[in-house]
Amino acid sequence: DAGITQSPRHKVTETGTPVTLRCHQTENHRYMYWYRQDPGHGLRLIHYSYGVKDTDKGEVSDGYSVSRSKTEDFLLTLESATSSQTSVYFCAISGGYKNIQYFGAGTRLSVL
Amino acid sequence: GQQLNQSPQSMFIQEGEDVSMNCTSSSIFNTWLWYKQDPGEGPVLLIALYKAGELTSNGRLTAQFGITRKDSFLNISASIPSDVGIYFCAGQRDSGSRLTFGEGTQLTVNP
Repeated sequence: DAGITQSPRHKVTETGTPVTLRCHQTENHRYMYWYRQDPGHGLRLIHYSYGVKDTDKGEVSDGYSVSRSKTEDFLLTLESATSSQTSVYFCAISGGYKNIQYFGAGTRLSVL
Repeated sequence: GQQLNQSPQSMFIQEGEDVSMNCTSSSIFNTWLWYKQDPGEGPVLLIALYKAGELTSNGRLTAQFGITRKDSFLNISASIPSDVGIYFCAGQRDSGSRLTFGEGTQLTVNP
């Protein structure tokens, strides 16, 4: 998984609760991304980071926030989880040769 | 957001058969990528293409960067059961820019 660790791998939570997903990389890459994957939609970008404290929105950012206080960690927070945020979340990193993106193993989140 | 048109959405084939899938876009991309996703795992890069007309192989996999820069093709020869999974294409305009993904092709290989 190209030195990418996502935690937790599985989580079940209730509607209205806050949830934080963590992505940790050991590659010292500049760019980090959060995607969600849903049937019929493929992979959709939520937020991305181009450096420490530098983040920007993707195409499906509503209801999500991110933080990057260190190069190696990129956190995705659902301030108040909703059932529509039930999904599989993938972290990706890039910054090496040709800036190819490499993906973590994913976090399966269920919001009941 | 923009999506790539990837087809077919699913394929059911017999072991040993060849497979072809493709992605098309209304916009030009300067990089085309093909990923494979196994069940319960993240996408893994198979092939990266950087030049229009480029044909690149990785074992039994061959991918082509369309000459118009608006499409790409992936072929798998002599399929085996471990080829099962979802194959995604992705386009990138410039190094470091966002990826645009196709919706994936679900491949099933019957022994």
